[in-house]
Amino acid sequence: QSALTQPASVSESPGQSVTISCTGTSNDVGDYSYVSWYQQHPGKAPKLLIYDVNNRPSGVSNRFSGSKSGNTASLTISGLQAEDESTYYCSSYTSSSPYVFGAGTKVTVL
Amino acid sequence: EVQLVETGGGLIQPGGSLRLSCAASGFTVSSNHMSWVRQAPGKGLEWVSVIYSDRRTYYADSVKGRFSISRDYSMNTLFLQMKSLRADDTAVYYCARDLLYFMDVWGQGTTVSVFS
Repeated sequence: QSALTQPASVSESPGQSVTISCTGTSNDVGDYSYVSWYQQHPGKAPKLLIYDVNNRPSGVSNRFSGSKSGNTASLTISGLQAEDESTYYCSSYTSSSPYVFGAGTKVTVL
Repeated sequence: EVQLVETGGGLIQPGGSLRLSCAASGFTVSSNHMSWVRQAPGKGLEWVSVIYSDRRTYYADSVKGRFSISRDYSMNTLFLQMKSLRADDTAVYYCARDLLYFMDVWGQGTTVSVFS
């Protein structure tokens, strides 16, 4: 099972919005609404941000939103803040495995 | 408070065995689905194994036949028995509560280093 494709890095200024893409295939992202997103700061455990494409757990800021179109899912962070500087991973259910992750996207707040 | 604490990591030679533990508080392990996820140094996340509440288990191809996931009701603890360890098993291992198909509670991780 190949990893989902994410950009290695994105950067944007505080207050702006940034969107991270996560491209899979018809065997994962394209065929299931089980896409989740995680934030991981250096040396820390991942934190769930989005589940089932566009649902936010209690306590997660509404500046984080998720969507999906075809084989590509996206995470948008609006009103970028310094604390959002982190690495973000997408994950999807697949036809052959409960999970496949993306390689991660490092977000830099300029 | 819902919490997971992993222990059992360490330095091990190739071919060796190790058992990781994940103690839960604030919820019952056996009533939930539970996963192990690992992260090699400087790399991304890799799902390793899941045990569902009905005891079904699944494994990533990379560990199938070498790793075994289990749980203990009385200890409220999840385990990962690892054998025939290889250098590419070196990683931080996280346990997580699995809510089909996302993980909402993660432990802090335990480090496994396989070296010769």
